Amino acid sequence: EAGVAQSPRYKIIEKRQSVAFWCNPISGHATLYWYQQILGQGPKLLIQFQNNGVVDDSQLPKDRFSAERLKGVDSTLKIQPAKLEDSAVYLCASSPLVWADYNEQFFGPGTRLTVL
Amino acid sequence: AQSVTQLDSQVPVFEEAPVELRCNYSSSVSVYLFWYVQYPNQGLQLLLKYLSGSTLVKGINGFEAEFNKSQTSFHLRKPSVHISDTAEYFCAVTMLNTDKLIFGTGTRLQVFP
Repeated sequence: EAGVAQSPRYKIIEKRQSVAFWCNPISGHATLYWYQQILGQGPKLLIQFQNNGVVDDSQLPKDRFSAERLKGVDSTLKIQPAKLEDSAVYLCASSPLVWADYNEQFFGPGTRLTVL
Repeated sequence: AQSVTQLDSQVPVFEEAPVELRCNYSSSVSVYLFWYVQYPNQGLQLLLKYLSGSTLVKGINGFEAEFNKSQTSFHLRKPSVHISDTAEYFCAVTMLNTDKLIFGTGTRLQVFP
């Protein structure tokens, strides 16, 4: 079974430029998450989708970050314009929607963004 | 609100020695608890989880953790580490019936030969 795919793996941009990341979740997984992992910190949830609807975007800086999951499958996360403090690893995760105590999240390899 | 504290940012240990990585959490409601491992340039992989039942949880790669409700702790242990265990380890919590993970700041385990 293929895992969560993310691209690109690395990206270097200058501040005020825009950037987009792509995520393809595990086939059949209804829920998709985007996390931001700043160096020396744990991952922080930015946005959670269930199918193509937003469940939680309370920690997404909406003045510069946007995300979409139009067909309920793959997703893109965009930053426009980027700031120095956006330098981080952006992790995508997906989970199935089953009747269980907890739906395990499976993580992709991440995209490392450096803003100069 | 929930929070997770990992007091040790780095833990150096020699190969075949035992190790304990500490995790304490704060929550006013019942939580589920997790340990994830992150190898260099890779995503997070679930090591083990506590949802209910026995407080001693066994995971992959010989790791285990014990849930202590009175001390609000969920320490990770391994009796004998290998070089390949060198990685970043994250403790996380989530409230019951939600999927939102709250992570600690991580502990870097460095195993020396």
